[in-house]
Amino acid sequence: GAGVSQTPSNKVTEKGKYVELRCDPISGHTALYWYRQSLGQGPEFLIYFQGTGAADDSGLPNDRFFAVRPEGSVSTLKIQRTERGDSAVYLCASSLTSGREQYFGPGTRLTVT
Amino acid sequence: GEDVEQSLFLSVREGDSSVINCTYTDSSSTYLYWYKQEPGAGLQLLTYIFSNMDMKQDQRLTVLLNKKDKHLSLRIADTQTGDSAIYFCARGKNTGFQKLVFGTGTRLLVSP
Repeated sequence: GAGVSQTPSNKVTEKGKYVELRCDPISGHTALYWYRQSLGQGPEFLIYFQGTGAADDSGLPNDRFFAVRPEGSVSTLKIQRTERGDSAVYLCASSLTSGREQYFGPGTRLTVT
Repeated sequence: GEDVEQSLFLSVREGDSSVINCTYTDSSSTYLYWYKQEPGAGLQLLTYIFSNMDMKQDQRLTVLLNKKDKHLSLRIADTQTGDSAIYFCARGKNTGFQKLVFGTGTRLLVSP
């Protein structure tokens, strides 16, 4: 079956602009996660959704970052007033309710110039 | 992931066994994971082990967990050039939702 998909695969934006990154989880997966991977590092947790609600957003770095999942499926990560330090690969993962097995998408590479 | 540590690099010859090591500090970890990342790709879940187990085998992969020393290893038997990638160790804390904390990754290079 189809895996987790993310669009766009690459996004280049200017400092100060607003961006939206989209994640389409595996069908039937109720849990959805966003992680951020900086160059040479492992992924770092940002936010977790169970259904439509954000159950844990403790990893969001500041209030410029926001994520939604209005219908409990597709999620959008929104970044306002982008900064060069936001440049990274943003990874989305999904899992069944049990959460033991998270399956990752290919990521969106965000470059802020 | 400052509390999950891995060596940065490992080089082996094709056909040899590879052993990738990981240490962690949080003893409350419930599940421990190994993910593989190939260039330009997302992470592929390889295997995971529950913290009350000390070994898990899955085809060419063997995971060993020493809970006392907080040490996890991944052994790949008969390593192939297609195994060249970055391998991430991660720990999960909760019994339900797993908020994964990753190490910095070990780059495995397999030469013919």
